[in-house]
Amino acid sequence: EAEVAQSPRYKITEKSQAVAFWCDPISGHATLYWYRQILGQGPELLVQFQDESVVDDSQLPKDRFSAERLKGVDSTLKIQPAELGDSAMYLCASSQKFPRNEQFFGPGTRLTVL
Amino acid sequence: KQEVTQIPAALSVPEGENLVLNCSFTDSAIYNLQWFRQDPGKGLTSLLLIQSSQREQTSGRLNASLDKSSGRSTLYIAASQPGDSATYLCAQAGTALIFGKGTTLSVSS
Repeated sequence: EAEVAQSPRYKITEKSQAVAFWCDPISGHATLYWYRQILGQGPELLVQFQDESVVDDSQLPKDRFSAERLKGVDSTLKIQPAELGDSAMYLCASSQKFPRNEQFFGPGTRLTVL
Repeated sequence: KQEVTQIPAALSVPEGENLVLNCSFTDSAIYNLQWFRQDPGKGLTSLLLIQSSQREQTSGRLNASLDKSSGRSTLYIAASQPGDSATYLCAQAGTALIFGKGTTLSVSS
């Protein structure tokens, strides 16, 4: 069964360091989403891609966060510099075509900033 | 500001009970509403997707309904089992993608 892949699964870093997360969506899925989930809360959308284009990054802290999906397939989310408040689960999801199709999530990356 | 609210925040039931989880949303122009399950420290697993033109969807012991006019969706779980213990989240896709905070369900044997 096709799945969304994410790596790494866990990341521990010190504040002010740079971190990067990778996501490979289900083959054929044009829409890719990055979410941040703080413990006890629902996921919050950071950025949404349609193919290689950003369609919503209104909640992305652009002074330190960046995201790209250069060839419209896999994607990278970067934080530089990391802050203590960035500790959270970072989730990637994909769907065939926003908004009518079902979102499928990867296992997430648990980030701890010390 | 659009919101998605889930009630109750936590629920404990004995095995075998039927239960209902509630989700309310403020966006009257949603495209669909999706229910997910999340186990501790894991990603989200899709349970049911209801398009805005539909009233309900069923999968096994799960049934989800959607009432756009009242801004409500419910997830009905029949004959609950200990393996159903998890956090259940609903998410609206409309003018914005918004998740509720979830309902944490505990089913005791």
